[in-house]
Amino acid sequence: GAVVSQHPSWVICKSGTSVKIECRSLDFQATTMFWYRQFPKQSLMLMATSNEGSKATYEQGVEKDKFLINHASLTLSTLTVTSAHPEDSSFYICSAERQGEGEQFFGPGTRLTVL
Amino acid sequence: AQRVTQPEKLLSVFKGAPVELKCNYSYSGSPELFWYVQYSRQRLQLLLRHISRESIKGFTADLNKGETSFHLKKPFAQEEDSAMYYCALSGRNFNKFYFGSGTKLNVKP
Repeated sequence: GAVVSQHPSWVICKSGTSVKIECRSLDFQATTMFWYRQFPKQSLMLMATSNEGSKATYEQGVEKDKFLINHASLTLSTLTVTSAHPEDSSFYICSAERQGEGEQFFGPGTRLTVL
Repeated sequence: AQRVTQPEKLLSVFKGAPVELKCNYSYSGSPELFWYVQYSRQRLQLLLRHISRESIKGFTADLNKGETSFHLKKPFAQEEDSAMYYCALSGRNFNKFYFGSGTKLNVKP
């Protein structure tokens, strides 16, 4: 199989603090990982694409200084929401692509609530 | 600009009835099209992709470049098909994926 995990699955934080979300491919190497945001009853919105060892590519309208992405290894990408505010509350989902296959394997998502 | 459109937010059918979930796209190059499914309380998973031309769980989807569509079809819906279905598009190098807004399929007994 191809399993992707996310940690934590649920986090509550105070406004102004930073939160780090990890995305790991457990049994394969992922050259590319994707970060999505999903609002209630809405579709996934691609935030950024990260490639191992290089800077992430952000979608238009996504603040790169706000959402820091690090893809330090072939099995780990992290998303840090800096100085979180209530409007950042959302469901964050990562996916990983096995090299060249085109199929994405999704993590279970992380529910972020900013008070 | 690339775009994936799923016009129906909710589709309700009775068990055994045919199902068609619509997906239209706009893309300047040669796209790769996918259907993803999300069952209740589960993560997104790939249902099928156009290049494999497979039938998964009785579902098929044909890429119609003339109509820029990739509709998902199943001749006889089952209750266990009830889920959210997302149509997605990527370029040939799979470096970006764009999802439609999703269609909730509800199969009634």
